[in-house]
Amino acid sequence: EAGVTQFPSHSVIEKGQTVTLRCDPISGHDNLYWYRRVMGKEIKFLLHFVKESKQDESGMPNNRFLAERTGGTYSTLKVQPAELEDSGVYFCASSQVARATTDTQYFGPGTRLTVL
Amino acid sequence: AQTVTQSQPEMSVQEAETVTLSCTYDTSESDYYLFWYKQPPSRQMILVIRQEAYKQQNATENRFSVNFQKAAKSFSLKISDSQLGDAAMYFCAYRGNTGNQFYFGTGTSLTVIP
Repeated sequence: EAGVTQFPSHSVIEKGQTVTLRCDPISGHDNLYWYRRVMGKEIKFLLHFVKESKQDESGMPNNRFLAERTGGTYSTLKVQPAELEDSGVYFCASSQVARATTDTQYFGPGTRLTVL
Repeated sequence: AQTVTQSQPEMSVQEAETVTLSCTYDTSESDYYLFWYKQPPSRQMILVIRQEAYKQQNATENRFSVNFQKAAKSFSLKISDSQLGDAAMYFCAYRGNTGNQFYFGTGTSLTVIP
């Protein structure tokens, strides 16, 4: 079974540019999550999709960030325009059944974003 | 809000020895779940072990075990017979019973010395 995949693995852009990150969850997983880790800090929750609907987007930093999940499959996270403080590693995770006792979130390898 | 604290940014252990990574958390919930994730240098984060708060018995997965102290809000990870492949960043995580998001600590970087 393929795991969670993310593309690209690295992205270096200049301040003011736009970047789009992609996440492909494990097949059959309805729940998809985005997290971000700024260097040396904890991994922080950004948002949660259930299929194509945003269940919780309380962690999104501001309106420069736009997440979509068309058709309830893969998801994209767009940052426009990027700022220096957006640098970090963006993780995607998926789970089959949210809030079940056996629920586990499976993480992708992350996308390292550097804004210069 | 829930917070997770990992007070050891870096740890090292001799191969075949035992090491304990500490984690404390703060919550007002009585029912929740705790996790340890491992992120090797290749960066894929992998679940190591999971503990349900309502279970008094400490979870064990082969060489990995936890010491869950609910009253103290402590959830440490013990790695026995450390192997070179255990070298990684370890993250402690909390998930409450009223939400789906995970709360993570800042991580502990474990080095295994041959």
